[in-house]
Amino acid sequence: GAVVSQHPSWVICKSGTSVKIECRSLDFQATTMFWYRQFPKQSLMLMATSNEGSKATYEQGVEKDKFLINHASLTLSTLTVTSAHPEDSSFYICSARTRSSGANVLTFGAGSRLTVL
Amino acid sequence: DQQVKQNSPSLSVQEGRISILNCDYTNSMFDYFLWYKKYPAEGPTFLISISSIKDKNEDGRFTVFLNKSAKHLSLHIVPSQPGDSAVYFCAASLFGGSWGKLQFGAGTQVVVTP
Repeated sequence: GAVVSQHPSWVICKSGTSVKIECRSLDFQATTMFWYRQFPKQSLMLMATSNEGSKATYEQGVEKDKFLINHASLTLSTLTVTSAHPEDSSFYICSARTRSSGANVLTFGAGSRLTVL
Repeated sequence: DQQVKQNSPSLSVQEGRISILNCDYTNSMFDYFLWYKKYPAEGPTFLISISSIKDKNEDGRFTVFLNKSAKHLSLHIVPSQPGDSAVYFCAASLFGGSWGKLQFGAGTQVVVTP
């Protein structure tokens, strides 16, 4: 089946630094990828939708200059948390789909736990 | 503003018994609903879905019920097995899910005891 690899699975960084999280579709072409964030005991919240070769669409309240998303190829999307602060500490997870598929074939990565000191 | 809510953070059930997970939503425009299952250190995997034109969908041991008037759906697992121990997320979508954008609940941790 379709596999999405997310890296790193766990990262600790100092406040003010930037962190990049990668999301790769290993055996299929992901025309669209979604980035979610989950705070403890809360829902997975959609942050942005990225389409290959175009700018990401951010959900309301998500700072696009803070969370840079790049989807330069059909198998790779990256999320960069710029100038990270402790309040950015969260669980970030990506999902990928193909152009003709519906929601039930979204494939998720295993997630990345970010801790900002 | 959480549009999809799972009010039970955890559920413990004996092996062989029925597990019932509940989910409520606030947006009446949602027309496609899904359940995902998540094991530790893995991403959520699709379990079962239902369109708003139906009130029930069954797949083996898993049945999802939808009550549109109450904006409520539930997942029944019968019989529960130890391998069902996981976090279950309810999700809702617009446009039949074709866009892939999902609104998730916070999840329910299910523990199936022998």
